[in-house]
Amino acid sequence: DAGVIQSPRHEVTEMGQEVTLRCKPISGHNSLFWYRQTMMRGLELLIYFNNNVPIDDSGMPEDRFSAKMPNASFSTLKIQPSEPRDSAVYFCASSLGGPPNEQFFGPGTRLTVL
Amino acid sequence: KQEVTQIPAALSVPEGENLVLNCSFTDSAIYNLQWFRQDPGKGLTSLLLIQSSQREQTSGRLNASLDKSSGRSTLYIAASQPGDSATYLCAAYTGGFKTIFGAGTRLFVKA
Repeated sequence: DAGVIQSPRHEVTEMGQEVTLRCKPISGHNSLFWYRQTMMRGLELLIYFNNNVPIDDSGMPEDRFSAKMPNASFSTLKIQPSEPRDSAVYFCASSLGGPPNEQFFGPGTRLTVL
Repeated sequence: KQEVTQIPAALSVPEGENLVLNCSFTDSAIYNLQWFRQDPGKGLTSLLLIQSSQREQTSGRLNASLDKSSGRSTLYIAASQPGDSATYLCAAYTGGFKTIFGAGTRLFVKA
């Protein structure tokens, strides 16, 4: 079975550029999460979707961040414009039924903003 | 506000040793606690999930316990192997939509 798929795996961009991260959840899962992991702050929830609808976006740090889930099999996290402090590993996770059910993580996208 | 702490931050043990990783949480009203493994450059792999009504869960050489009254969970690894080297994170869910993660314990098992 395919797990959560994320692309790209690595992204290097310059400050001010737009960055789009992509996620394909596990088929049949109806909940999707975007997380950010940094050395300083650990793993933080950015946004949670249930049945393609954003339920909690309180973790989105600024208006420069936006996320969409146009259908059950695809989600994007966009940063525009990007800044060096956005450099982190961004994870997508999915689950069946949402919290408190078990979450399954993708391999992550390592973003470097120069 | 839930806070999750993991001690120690790093641990090095010789192969074959039994070991315990600790996780503490400040809000005992948790729904569940989950242990993950993270390998360098990779995502998180779920190891064990303990529901609030359970005291422990076992999978192979791994055993996780939960004591809500004391705000603690432990992950016991028996007969450690070099392949167990990774960062282990615990995560507590206390309602709402956020799962709170600890900073992790980096484990190194020496051959």
